[in-house]
Amino acid sequence: SQQGEEDPQALSIQEGENATMNCSYKTSINNLQWYRQNSGRGLVHLILIRSNEREKHSGRLRVTLDTSKKSSSLLITASRAADTASYFCATDLSGGYQKVTFGTGTKLQVIP
Amino acid sequence: DVKVTQSSRYLVKRTGEKVFLECVQDMDHENMFWYRQDPGLGLRLIYFSYDVKMKEKGDIPEGYSVSREKKERFSLILESASTNQTSMYLCASSLLGARGETQYFGPGTRLLVL
Repeated sequence: SQQGEEDPQALSIQEGENATMNCSYKTSINNLQWYRQNSGRGLVHLILIRSNEREKHSGRLRVTLDTSKKSSSLLITASRAADTASYFCATDLSGGYQKVTFGTGTKLQVIP
Repeated sequence: DVKVTQSSRYLVKRTGEKVFLECVQDMDHENMFWYRQDPGLGLRLIYFSYDVKMKEKGDIPEGYSVSREKKERFSLILESASTNQTSMYLCASSLLGARGETQYFGPGTRLLVL
């Protein structure tokens, strides 16, 4: 089964609104990453947050991590049509070897 | 600029054919990965390699093999393609070092097996 699972599976918002996606995972992690995938393309790394961090910002992105709840959220502020994509969280397991496990993704549609 | 390239964007093969998917990275990364992506299942790891000639099975290695003869190149081989291997295949690379570092992805190969 997947280590990370995103919620919601799909999200549709108007341009300018904020978008929030959540990721839950099952076991202890070293870090958690968020990736974006435009339709039919490869994934692009957005942000990495380590297990000893609680919040991280990058431009219009804000990521939080709650290790007690085994969950993370990705907030995109002031969304744009170009943010339309699928978003995946990826976790590496404590003690794991060089690999990460991806969730099933949240499909975000931003309507102009 | 970081670059991972895959040999084909689209590929159509027949059941039973041997299929080679090639991936090349120009970042001198030690780790390389092959995933397949299917609707509703997300990305699933097939194989990964942390050094030349080294390979490790991922979560779904059955029906696949890999080859890493040079650091920059990681090949995925479908020995005898089957229709259930129709999928999007993604290659990625990352630096050796701290666990779970950023992965850089290629554009993907959409494979259709008839």
